[in-house]
Amino acid sequence: GQNIDQPTEMTATEGAIVQINCTYQTSGFNGLFWYQQHAGEAPTFLSYNVLDGLEEKGRFSSFLSRSKGYSYLLLKELQMKDSASYLCAVEDYGNNRLAFGKGNQVVVIP
Amino acid sequence: DGGITQSPKYLFRKEGQNVTLSCEQNLNHDAMYWYRQDPGQGLRLIYYSQIVNDFQKGDIAEGYSVSREKKESFPLTVTSAQKNPTAFYLCASNPGTVGNTIYFGEGSWLTVV
Repeated sequence: GQNIDQPTEMTATEGAIVQINCTYQTSGFNGLFWYQQHAGEAPTFLSYNVLDGLEEKGRFSSFLSRSKGYSYLLLKELQMKDSASYLCAVEDYGNNRLAFGKGNQVVVIP
Repeated sequence: DGGITQSPKYLFRKEGQNVTLSCEQNLNHDAMYWYRQDPGQGLRLIYYSQIVNDFQKGDIAEGYSVSREKKESFPLTVTSAQKNPTAFYLCASNPGTVGNTIYFGEGSWLTVV
């Protein structure tokens, strides 16, 4: 089984940096995904980590520590359009199914 | 353009009725999924299929049924046995190999009236 935990909400100022954490417990691990979801819309893919370390993609970076069951998503130079829910999802070993956390709502204020 | 098409976007169901949500993909993906999302919550897996004519229950399959007769299509039926069906339903697909992200349709809003 899988257990994925994310904090629920945070507020940050435009131009700032925000870190969103995700901890997980899983019997098998094939990788961790981060998605962005705007209200009423489908999630869109942001990043994928399968090895320990930091993956950087423009303003977004994602970090993984498999031994600690921990990941974070770092959003830099926040923009108003970054106001959304950020979901982490763990891929289960052997069956390609993703288990999602409840998401972290980020509100960007001027 | 390739993608996943869900229909209808909005659906109202009377109590006791079955309704079917359509999901079609032209990405040639082997695996397809149905997720349910309640307000302020994450996605919960209802059913998934890794290959044609085969599917498995997810975490909340009770009250739902699916079929996978064609690679492109994975319809979800919400039966009258599902006591609280009002939610946002998302269909997704991926190539079926490890490490590939899943791609989502635009979602369907189901409301019981």
